[in-house]
Amino acid sequence: EAGVAQSPRYKIIEKRQSVAFWCNPISGHATLYWYQQILGQGPKLLIQFQNNGVVDDSQLPKDRFSAERLKGVDSTLKIQPAKLEDSAVYLCASSPVGQGYNEQFFGPGTRLTVL
Amino acid sequence: AQSVAQPEDQVNVAEGNPLTVKCTYSVSGNPYLFWYVQYPNRGLQFLLKYITGDNLVKGSYGFEAEFNKSQTSFHLKKPSALVSDSALYFCAVRDDTGGFKTIFGAGTRLFVKA
Repeated sequence: EAGVAQSPRYKIIEKRQSVAFWCNPISGHATLYWYQQILGQGPKLLIQFQNNGVVDDSQLPKDRFSAERLKGVDSTLKIQPAKLEDSAVYLCASSPVGQGYNEQFFGPGTRLTVL
Repeated sequence: AQSVAQPEDQVNVAEGNPLTVKCTYSVSGNPYLFWYVQYPNRGLQFLLKYITGDNLVKGSYGFEAEFNKSQTSFHLKKPSALVSDSALYFCAVRDDTGGFKTIFGAGTRLFVKA
């Protein structure tokens, strides 16, 4: 079974530039998550999709972050414009149809550095 | 509101000795509890979970965790540590009151010395 795919693996940009991350979840997984993991901290949920609908985006900074999940499969997370404090690893995860007790399967992450 | 605490930034243990990584939680409803491990330059991997039933949960790589409702704890344990267990461990919690948002602890770095 193929795992969660993410690209790019690394990205370096200057502040005020824009950046986009892509995620392809495990086939058949209805729920998709984007997390931000700042160095020394645990992952923080940014947005959670159930199929292509948003379940939770309460911690997404909507003035600069946006995400979409077209056709309930792939997802893209965008930051525009980036700030220095956005430097972090962005993790995508997926799980089977959203029961709270299902574990999540994580991708390798995208390490973003904002200069 | 949900919260998770991992009181130790780092745990050091000698190979062959038992290890414990601590986790306490706070939720409104009934908890679903998880442990994940993160190796360098890799995403998080699921180790084990508690949903209901037996308080002792067994997971991958010989790890187990004990759910204690009265102490609101879910400590990760292994009887005999391996050098290859050295990694970053995260405790996570969800509750059953809706939304199913997962809250992660700050992580505990486990260092196993040969």
